[in-house]
Amino acid sequence: KAGVTQTPRYLIKTRGQQVTLSCSPISGHRSVSWYQQTPGQGLQFLFEYFSETQRNKGNFPGRFSGRQFSNSRSEMNVSTLELGDSALYLCASSFSSGTNTEAFFGQGTRLTVV
Amino acid sequence: AQSVTQLGSHVSVSEGALVLLRCNYSSSVPPYLFWYVQYPNQGLQLLLKYTTGATLVKGINGFEAEFKKSETSFHLTKPSAHMSDAAEYFCAVRGILTGGGNKLTFGTGTQLKVEL
Repeated sequence: KAGVTQTPRYLIKTRGQQVTLSCSPISGHRSVSWYQQTPGQGLQFLFEYFSETQRNKGNFPGRFSGRQFSNSRSEMNVSTLELGDSALYLCASSFSSGTNTEAFFGQGTRLTVV
Repeated sequence: AQSVTQLGSHVSVSEGALVLLRCNYSSSVPPYLFWYVQYPNQGLQLLLKYTTGATLVKGINGFEAEFKKSETSFHLTKPSAHMSDAAEYFCAVRGILTGGGNKLTFGTGTQLKVEL
């Protein structure tokens, strides 16, 4: 059974640019959550999508957005990149959206903003 | 809001020694609690979880944790450390008060070092 796939694994962008990250969940999983991991702030929840609908959103500016497609694949977009957006972005896949559901994480996309 | 606190950002043990990583939660309602491990340049792997039922939870790689409501704790233990256990460990909570759904709120992490 294939795991959670995040592409690309590494990315370097310039301040002011925008970036799109992709996450393919485990087959059959309908929930995708995104997290940002930085040394200073730790792991922070960005948002969750379930059946193409945003179910929950963290405390991030509007420059961070996401979407989910009918095949459950998800993308997140960051516009007008800032140096502080440099981070490891992790995607988590779950079968359903509920407090008792196990989340499986991808290997992440390492974004560096220069 | 529900949150978790991990005491000790760095823990060092000798190979074969007991591993104890501390996690305390704050919640007015019973939470769901998780321990994840992260190896360098990797994602997070679930070690174990507490939802309901038995308070002593056994996970992968010989780890276990005990949910103690009276102490609001969910400490992670392993009787005998192995070199391969060196990694960063995260305690996390999920529940209605964190926003529901699959939102996880993580602790700040504990870096475990295992020495010969």
